[in-house]
Parts: sequence; structure tokens; C-alpha cells
Amino acid sequence: DAGVTQSPTHLIKTRGQQVTLRCSPKSGHDTVSWYQQALGQGPQFIFQYYEEEERQRGNFPDRFSGHQFPNYSSELNVNALLLGDSALYLCASSLVGMNTEAFFGQGTRLTVV
Amino acid sequence: GESVGLHLPTLSVQEGDNSIINCAYSNSASDYFIWYKQESGKGPQFIIDIRSNMDKRQGQRVTVLLNKTVKHLSLQIAATQPGDSAVYFCAERGVDSNYQLIWGAGTKLIIKP
Repeated sequence: DAGVTQSPTHLIKTRGQQVTLRCSPKSGHDTVSWYQQALGQGPQFIFQYYEEEERQRGNFPDRFSGHQFPNYSSELNVNALLLGDSALYLCASSLVGMNTEAFFGQGTRLTVV
Repeated sequence: GESVGLHLPTLSVQEGDNSIINCAYSNSASDYFIWYKQESGKGPQFIIDIRSNMDKRQGQRVTVLLNKTVKHLSLQIAATQPGDSAVYFCAERGVDSNYQLIWGAGTKLIIKP
């Protein structure tokens, strides 16, 4: 049973560029959440997708956008990259409902130079 | 704003001893709590969860205690092993935070041989 998979694992981008990160949820899961984790800190919630709609959003600017596809996979897009966007981006999948355990992928390490 | 925090950023424990990692939360509306383990270069891994209608929950070598009176959460690891070395995060989900997990900064557990 495949767990949560993310691609790519590492990425280097230049300030001002745009980036797309991808996530495939654990088999049977229908909800995908994205988190940003700065070095030495806990993950910060970006947004969650269910039924191809953004269900809730954290305190992130509109430069961060996402999408969920009919097969439940998801993309995170970041426009106009800033140096401060350098972080580990984590995808978590779960079944719809508040109190369900979330499974995380390995993350995508984004470095903005 | 309300947040989840950890008392100690680093904890050193002798191999074979028990470890106790503490977490304080301030949102009294939170009703679900999760402990995650994150090893270097990996995504967070679910350890154990507890709902607010419980005081204690046990897993394999781990026990989570919840004290709602003082808004305190702890993770006990029995007979700590080298493989337990990681950063441990507590996370909460509150009825007023909809679907997002709110994370603390993490505690790094170091196992001494």
C-alpha cells in the first residue's frame, strides 16, 4: 500500500520564479493538506483540499495556490518566489473528517536563491 | 494567538531509560491531539493520538497523557532506543480551527549510549 508520495524531493529556484510541487495521497484517502516547515520549526498549515475544493486556508499570501485532481492528487503552486519561501513543503493525506490521523509524505525541500 | 508549545527544545536520555516529552497548549477548544516523530530528512510520522474525552492512551512503548485542567500533554516512551532519536511534535486540532493542525516547535530527543 503506497503511502503519501511527493515530487520532486529537492528543488532549487531563483527569486521571482514560480514552482509547482506535487503530492499523491495514501491509497483510500480523499483529503490533502499542505504544510510549510522552516528549518528548526514545526509545520505551518497552508491549506487543505477536499473534493477538488480548497476547504480551509492558513495565513499564507495569495502567491500560494493549489489544486486537487479527481484522483485526489494535489499540486501546490508558489508564484513570485521569495528567499523566505525556502523550506520543506509537506503534504499530508487523510480521510474526510476532523479527527482522523494524517499521513505525511517525505516532503519537498525548496531552496530559493 | 493561541498555539501549542513545548517546554524543552532538547532532551537527552540514556538508552534504556524512559523519556517524557511535554507539551503545553493554550486553546481550550482543542479536542484532538497528536504526537508526531520526525527523523532527519523525513516527513512527520504519526505516533499516537488522543481525544479530549480521554486522559490516557497507550500504544506500543508509548503513552500519551492529557491533563485538560492545566492544558498539558505528554508523551512517554518506555525503554528508549537509539531509533527513537528524532524531533517530536505535538499538534492540536480544535473545533474552532476547522481542519488544520496547529503544531508546536518540537523537542529534539537525543539518546545517549
